[in-house]
Amino acid sequence: GDSVTQMEGPVTLSEEAFLTINCTYTATGYPSLFWYVQYPGEGLQLLLKATKADDKGSNKGFEATYRKETTSFHLEKGSVQVSDSAVYFCALRRGTGPGGSNYKLTFGKGTLLTVNP
Amino acid sequence: GAVVSQHPSRVICKSGTSVKIECRSLDFQATTMFWYRQFPKQSLMLMATSNEGSKATYEQGVEKDKFLINHASLTLSTLTVTSAHPEDSSFYICSALTRTGENTIYFGEGSWLTVV
Repeated sequence: GDSVTQMEGPVTLSEEAFLTINCTYTATGYPSLFWYVQYPGEGLQLLLKATKADDKGSNKGFEATYRKETTSFHLEKGSVQVSDSAVYFCALRRGTGPGGSNYKLTFGKGTLLTVNP
Repeated sequence: GAVVSQHPSRVICKSGTSVKIECRSLDFQATTMFWYRQFPKQSLMLMATSNEGSKATYEQGVEKDKFLINHASLTLSTLTVTSAHPEDSSFYICSALTRTGENTIYFGEGSWLTVV
Protein backbone atom coordinates (compact mmCIF):
# COMPACT_ATOMS: atom_id res chain seq x y z
CA GLY A 1 0.00 0.00 0.00
CA ASP A 2 0.87 3.66 -0.04
CA SER A 3 3.29 4.96 2.54
CA VAL A 4 5.21 8.11 3.40
CA THR A 5 8.47 8.18 5.32
CA GLN A 6 9.85 11.40 6.71
CA MET A 7 12.86 12.09 8.82
CA GLU A 8 12.59 11.57 12.53
CA GLY A 9 12.46 14.63 14.68
CA PRO A 10 12.71 16.69 16.61
CA VAL A 11 14.79 19.12 14.61
CA THR A 12 16.22 22.11 16.45
CA LEU A 13 17.80 24.98 14.54
CA SER A 14 18.96 28.49 15.18
CA GLU A 15 17.23 31.36 13.44
CA GLU A 16 18.42 31.91 9.83
CA ALA A 17 19.73 28.35 9.54
CA PHE A 18 19.02 26.20 6.49
CA LEU A 19 16.27 23.61 6.85
CA THR A 20 15.82 20.28 5.12
CA ILE A 21 13.19 17.74 6.11
CA ASN A 22 13.44 14.59 4.06
CA CYS A 23 10.37 12.81 2.72
CA THR A 24 10.16 9.73 0.54
CA TYR A 25 7.08 7.87 -0.58
CA THR A 26 5.85 4.56 -1.92
CA ALA A 27 2.83 4.55 -4.17
CA THR A 28 1.69 3.21 -7.49
CA GLY A 29 1.06 5.55 -10.35
CA TYR A 30 1.55 9.28 -10.04
CA PRO A 31 0.42 10.57 -6.67
CA SER A 32 0.10 14.20 -5.70
CA LEU A 33 2.43 15.24 -2.90
CA PHE A 34 1.86 17.69 -0.08
CA TRP A 35 3.49 19.32 2.89
CA TYR A 36 1.21 20.31 5.75
CA VAL A 37 2.19 22.38 8.78
CA GLN A 38 0.61 22.30 12.22
CA TYR A 39 1.34 25.25 14.48
CA PRO A 40 0.84 24.77 18.23
CA GLY A 41 -2.83 24.55 19.11
CA GLU A 42 -4.01 24.74 15.51
CA GLY A 43 -5.18 22.39 12.78
CA LEU A 44 -3.13 21.25 9.83
CA GLN A 45 -2.63 23.81 7.08
CA LEU A 46 -1.53 23.11 3.57
CA LEU A 47 1.97 24.53 3.11
CA LEU A 48 2.68 23.53 -0.48
CA LYS A 49 1.95 20.85 -3.02
CA ALA A 50 3.09 19.33 -6.30
CA THR A 51 0.93 17.27 -8.59
CA LYS A 52 3.38 15.86 -11.12
CA ALA A 53 7.01 14.91 -11.52
CA ASP A 54 9.53 17.78 -11.47
CA ASP A 55 6.93 20.23 -10.17
CA LYS A 56 8.21 22.54 -7.46
CA GLY A 57 5.82 23.66 -4.78
CA SER A 58 6.67 26.80 -2.86
CA ASN A 59 5.13 28.98 -0.18
CA LYS A 60 6.37 31.26 2.60
CA GLY A 61 9.99 30.63 1.59
CA PHE A 62 9.58 26.85 1.74
CA GLU A 63 10.17 24.72 -1.35
CA ALA A 64 9.86 21.08 -2.32
CA THR A 65 10.42 19.39 -5.67
CA TYR A 66 8.59 16.26 -6.78
CA ARG A 67 11.34 13.80 -7.75
CA LYS A 68 9.85 10.68 -9.23
CA GLU A 69 13.21 9.03 -9.88
CA THR A 70 14.04 9.11 -6.18
CA THR A 71 10.40 9.07 -4.99
CA SER A 72 11.16 12.06 -2.82
CA PHE A 73 9.63 15.41 -1.87
CA HIS A 74 12.10 17.01 0.51
CA LEU A 75 11.12 20.25 2.21
CA GLU A 76 13.68 23.08 2.27
CA LYS A 77 13.93 26.63 3.50
CA GLY A 78 16.98 28.78 3.19
CA SER A 79 16.57 30.78 6.39
CA VAL A 80 14.19 29.66 9.10
CA GLN A 81 12.50 31.94 11.59
CA VAL A 82 11.24 31.37 15.11
CA SER A 83 7.70 31.57 13.72
CA ASP A 84 8.40 28.47 11.60
CA SER A 85 8.42 26.32 14.74
CA ALA A 86 5.73 23.71 14.13
CA VAL A 87 5.13 20.10 13.16
CA TYR A 88 5.54 19.39 9.44
CA PHE A 89 3.75 16.51 7.73
CA CYS A 90 4.53 15.08 4.33
CA ALA A 91 1.55 13.44 2.62
CA LEU A 92 0.45 11.90 -0.64
CA ARG A 93 -2.86 11.52 -2.40
CA ARG A 94 -3.13 8.85 -5.04
CA GLY A 95 -6.62 9.48 -6.33
CA THR A 96 -7.65 11.93 -8.97
CA GLY A 97 -10.92 13.12 -10.40
CA PRO A 98 -14.30 13.62 -8.76
CA GLY A 99 -15.47 11.69 -5.76
CA GLY A 100 -14.63 12.44 -2.17
CA SER A 101 -12.84 9.16 -1.59
CA ASN A 102 -10.19 10.21 -4.11
CA TYR A 103 -9.03 12.82 -1.63
CA LYS A 104 -7.81 10.45 1.06
CA LEU A 105 -4.37 11.43 2.28
CA THR A 106 -1.57 9.19 3.48
CA PHE A 107 0.65 10.97 5.99
CA GLY A 108 4.15 10.63 7.31
CA LYS A 109 4.70 10.67 11.07
CA GLY A 110 5.43 14.37 11.22
CA THR A 111 8.61 16.22 12.12
CA LEU A 112 8.72 18.68 14.98
CA LEU A 113 10.80 21.75 14.13
CA THR A 114 11.94 24.13 16.85
CA VAL A 115 13.71 27.32 15.84
CA ASN A 116 15.56 29.18 18.56
CA PRO A 117 16.30 32.91 18.42
CA GLY B 1 -10.49 31.77 4.66
CA ALA B 2 -12.31 28.51 5.12
CA VAL B 3 -12.34 27.14 8.63
CA VAL B 4 -13.06 23.75 10.06
CA SER B 5 -13.83 23.61 13.75
CA GLN B 6 -13.70 20.61 16.03
CA HIS B 7 -15.30 20.35 19.43
CA PRO B 8 -14.31 19.54 22.07
CA SER B 9 -10.60 20.17 21.75
CA ARG B 10 -9.93 18.05 24.82
CA VAL B 11 -12.15 15.54 26.57
CA ILE B 12 -11.66 13.09 29.39
CA CYS B 13 -14.18 10.33 29.83
CA LYS B 14 -14.58 7.25 31.98
CA SER B 15 -14.02 3.81 30.58
CA GLY B 16 -17.25 2.34 29.25
CA THR B 17 -18.89 5.64 28.40
CA SER B 18 -19.39 7.18 24.96
CA VAL B 19 -18.06 10.47 23.74
CA LYS B 20 -19.00 12.53 20.70
CA ILE B 21 -16.64 14.76 18.70
CA GLU B 22 -18.05 17.31 16.27
CA CYS B 23 -16.48 18.57 13.07
CA ARG B 24 -18.00 21.65 11.48
CA SER B 25 -17.17 23.51 8.30
CA LEU B 26 -17.89 27.10 9.27
CA ASP B 27 -18.11 28.93 5.98
CA PHE B 28 -18.38 26.32 3.27
CA GLN B 29 -20.32 23.17 2.50
CA ALA B 30 -18.53 19.86 2.66
CA THR B 31 -19.99 16.81 1.00
CA THR B 32 -17.06 14.77 2.22
CA MET B 33 -15.26 14.78 5.55
CA PHE B 34 -12.45 12.56 6.73
CA TRP B 35 -11.68 11.33 10.23
CA TYR B 36 -8.10 10.59 11.22
CA ARG B 37 -6.50 9.25 14.36
CA GLN B 38 -2.99 9.91 15.55
CA PHE B 39 -1.07 8.10 18.25
CA PRO B 40 1.99 9.80 19.76
CA LYS B 41 4.91 9.89 17.32
CA GLN B 42 2.85 8.10 14.68
CA SER B 43 1.27 9.11 11.39
CA LEU B 44 -2.25 10.37 11.04
CA MET B 45 -4.20 7.25 10.14
CA LEU B 46 -7.39 7.56 8.14
CA MET B 47 -10.29 5.97 9.99
CA ALA B 48 -13.19 6.69 7.68
CA THR B 49 -14.56 8.84 4.92
CA SER B 50 -17.83 10.51 5.76
CA ASN B 51 -20.24 11.46 2.97
CA GLU B 52 -23.23 13.68 3.62
CA GLY B 53 -26.46 11.76 3.63
CA SER B 54 -24.92 8.32 3.31
CA LYS B 55 -23.05 5.78 5.37
CA ALA B 56 -19.42 6.35 6.13
CA THR B 57 -16.75 4.26 4.46
CA TYR B 58 -14.43 2.76 7.03
CA GLU B 59 -10.81 1.81 6.50
CA GLN B 60 -9.74 -1.75 7.04
CA GLY B 61 -9.35 -2.61 10.69
CA VAL B 62 -11.56 0.22 11.99
CA GLU B 63 -14.59 -0.99 13.94
CA LYS B 64 -17.65 0.74 12.54
CA ASP B 65 -19.77 -0.18 15.54
CA LYS B 66 -17.27 1.37 17.90
CA PHE B 67 -16.56 4.54 15.94
CA LEU B 68 -19.93 5.81 14.80
CA ILE B 69 -19.83 8.50 12.17
CA ASN B 70 -22.80 10.64 11.22
CA HIS B 71 -22.69 13.23 8.45
CA ALA B 72 -26.23 14.58 8.64
CA SER B 73 -25.66 17.95 7.00
CA LEU B 74 -23.26 19.62 4.62
CA THR B 75 -21.52 21.38 7.50
CA LEU B 76 -21.43 18.83 10.29
CA SER B 77 -19.96 15.40 10.82
CA THR B 78 -19.76 13.69 14.19
CA LEU B 79 -17.59 10.87 15.48
CA THR B 80 -18.89 8.96 18.49
CA VAL B 81 -16.53 6.65 20.31
CA THR B 82 -18.79 4.11 21.97
CA SER B 83 -17.92 2.18 25.11
CA ALA B 84 -14.57 3.89 25.22
CA HIS B 85 -11.54 2.16 26.67
CA PRO B 86 -8.10 3.50 27.60
CA GLU B 87 -6.65 2.20 24.32
CA ASP B 88 -9.00 4.57 22.48
CA SER B 89 -7.14 7.51 23.99
CA SER B 90 -5.71 9.37 21.04
CA PHE B 91 -5.74 12.53 18.96
CA TYR B 92 -8.65 12.61 16.53
CA ILE B 93 -8.64 15.09 13.66
CA CYS B 94 -11.13 15.74 10.92
CA SER B 95 -10.83 17.32 7.52
CA ALA B 96 -13.43 18.65 5.11
CA LEU B 97 -13.41 18.76 1.33
CA THR B 98 -14.85 21.85 -0.32
CA ARG B 99 -17.31 21.34 -3.14
CA THR B 100 -16.10 24.18 -5.28
CA GLY B 101 -12.96 25.66 -6.68
CA GLU B 102 -9.85 23.56 -6.29
CA ASN B 103 -11.49 20.94 -4.11
CA THR B 104 -9.28 21.96 -1.21
CA ILE B 105 -9.10 20.00 2.02
CA TYR B 106 -9.21 21.92 5.31
CA PHE B 107 -8.34 20.39 8.66
CA GLY B 108 -9.82 20.92 12.07
CA GLU B 109 -7.73 21.64 15.14
CA GLY B 110 -8.04 18.11 16.44
CA SER B 111 -9.50 16.63 19.61
CA TRP B 112 -7.55 14.96 22.38
CA LEU B 113 -9.46 12.08 23.93
CA THR B 114 -8.32 10.57 27.20
CA VAL B 115 -10.17 7.57 28.56
CA VAL B 116 -9.57 6.86 32.24
